[in-house]
Amino acid sequence: QVQLQESGPGLVKPSQTLSLTCSVSGESISRGNYHWNWIRLPAGKGLEWLGRIYTTGSTNYNPSLQSRITISVDTSRNQFSLALSSVTSADTAVYYCATVYLGDGDFFGSWGQGTLVTVSS
Amino acid sequence: DIQMTQSPSTLSAFVGDRVTITCRASQNINGYLAWYQQKSGKAPKLLMYKASTLHYGVPSRFSGGGSGTEFTLTISSLQPDDFATYYCQQYNNYSPFTFGGGTKVEF
Repeated sequence: QVQLQESGPGLVKPSQTLSLTCSVSGESISRGNYHWNWIRLPAGKGLEWLGRIYTTGSTNYNPSLQSRITISVDTSRNQFSLALSSVTSADTAVYYCATVYLGDGDFFGSWGQGTLVTVSS
Repeated sequence: DIQMTQSPSTLSAFVGDRVTITCRASQNINGYLAWYQQKSGKAPKLLMYKASTLHYGVPSRFSGGGSGTEFTLTISSLQPDDFATYYCQQYNNYSPFTFGGGTKVEF
């Protein structure tokens, strides 16, 4: 069973860059069995998929965030990361990392517990 | 984007009730639909995928159905542990994957 844990600052100032890391246990990212995703839940709204990365480093992003988002992977640390630039209050949300097992279909089988990021000065 | 619309947004029910949640897609998603359950302050949990395939460990009182653009999640006999928010997600098109707005099942 893959286990995920998000970490990063809980408070980010407007216009700055939000940076989060997802630490993976129970599976080696380098095995290439999964792709690795970021999803968020703004208060009072529904879930929003942000983007994904494969072990190869190939990425797909939500077009609504394309100009501001970067997802990267560090196989040596068994982690992947999210960077979201030029944040505003609209980026305040609980951020989750989640996995998709390749070959099963692109549904999210494992999730981290989530981390609240507030954008405020 | 494929828009996913859930109804109702809130559902009041009692233990033992049969509950049905509907999810409509703005275009045919070829059955590539998943359902998640989320309890307050917790991460979502996968319930079902390919519209009707139960994820391992999910009780059999949960069932899914539908095709094309209209899908349902049914709980045959609501249990106290089932009071939560439920989301559908389409994965027919990754640009982007999209979720419904959620259905809160409350007492």
